[in-house]
This record gives sequence, C-alpha cells and structure tokens, in this order.
Amino acid sequence: ETGVTQTPRHLVMGMTNKKSLKCEQHLGHNAMYWYKQSAKKPLELMFVYSLEERVENNSVPSRFSPECPNSSHLFLHLHTLQPEDSALYLCASSEESSGGAVSPREQFFGPGTRLTVL
Amino acid sequence: SQKIEQNSEALNIQEGKTATLTCNYTNYSPAYLQWYRQDPGRGPVFLLLIRENEKEKRKERLKVTFDTTLKQSLFHITASQPADSATYLCALGSSYKLIFGSGTRLLVRP
Repeated sequence: ETGVTQTPRHLVMGMTNKKSLKCEQHLGHNAMYWYKQSAKKPLELMFVYSLEERVENNSVPSRFSPECPNSSHLFLHLHTLQPEDSALYLCASSEESSGGAVSPREQFFGPGTRLTVL
Repeated sequence: SQKIEQNSEALNIQEGKTATLTCNYTNYSPAYLQWYRQDPGRGPVFLLLIRENEKEKRKERLKVTFDTTLKQSLFHITASQPADSATYLCALGSSYKLIFGSGTRLLVRP
C-alpha cells in the first residue's frame, strides 16, 4: 500500500452520466495530482493542487472538473464524457517544499480508477 | 516540443543478468530525473531520483546514470529476478511537474 487510495477501482459510464472519482492520501502531503494513462501512451498530467489551490490545469477539457476540499482529499468530477476519455485515472501526492513551491519529491500513486465510457 | 523516448519493445533477459533500460529526451533541460516501476493494474511506484548535477545513483541492485550532455539516463538492475518483471517509467522534471515516458516492459525469465 502506498498510502494513497482511490475509489472506485472500476467505473463504466454512459456519455450522459455524471460521476466522481475520489482520492485520499494518508501521508500528510500537501500536493495532489490527477493523471490520465491511456494504453501505449505516457502518463498525462491533468491537474495539480498545492495547499488546496489549483496550480496547474494542463489544457484539460471542461468535462473534467477537479475539487480539492482539503489536503487529504481530491475529487475528479466527470460529466458528458466521450469514449476517448476511457483510460486509467491515477491520483498521486507528494510533499510540498518550504516557500510554497512544490519540490521535485517522489510522487506516491494510488492504484487508479479504470474508466470506460460507452 | 519536449520528447521522452523509452524503448517500446519489451526487454527479455535471463534471470541473474543485468537489465539496462534507456531513457532519452530532447528539447528539455530537466533539473532531475526519476524512475518508477509499474505493475499491471497498479499505479507507478517510485524507485530512484537523480539530479542534474549527479552522474550516478545506486540503491541496492539498482543503478541510475544521468548524462545531461547526451540527454540520456540509463537504469540498471543487476542480478535480475523474475520478480523484477514490470514496466519501468522514466520521468523528467524541473519543478513540481513531471513528464513521463511511455515506459519499457522488462521480462525476466527464470
């Protein structure tokens, strides 16, 4: 166990559904990340939160909406997705360095949510 | 644009041999490089970090080199074991943001 949990582990949804992915970290970290991993492709960074503030939105379509209510929880709200959004969605966390900038520390990943959009 | 290349072909080696994986990059000057291991159906697990001013890092049977002139990192697993079979990802960064390669799958035969 890495200390980062994700639910659900698998999700099948239609294009008109609304669902949410949940991530929780038990490591006391202050930075959290959402990544998308498609088959045969590198991990794509979607969003970064540092001290509960979004510091990166990597040109992600508005049908993906992140939420970070506190430093331990991160959500990804999904609505009107497309079949090409089917992928493994990974959450990660890391320590936040002094001065507010996120440092190049190791990232701890959750097991991911396997999403299938029909 | 920034590009990271890892061998997309699986590396198939005999148990006990040294596995060497390559990570090449272009159009980027990372401050550090990390290697992760990913097993099927699981998230990546951090293995090693090496900074731009370091040439080599070791951890148990693992060794990483970082050549900023060649824009290349080599990842070695000595005395490989079947349990080392997994996909290995390199990731480059200059702040908090990591850019990942596609990974190389390693298969260690008993």
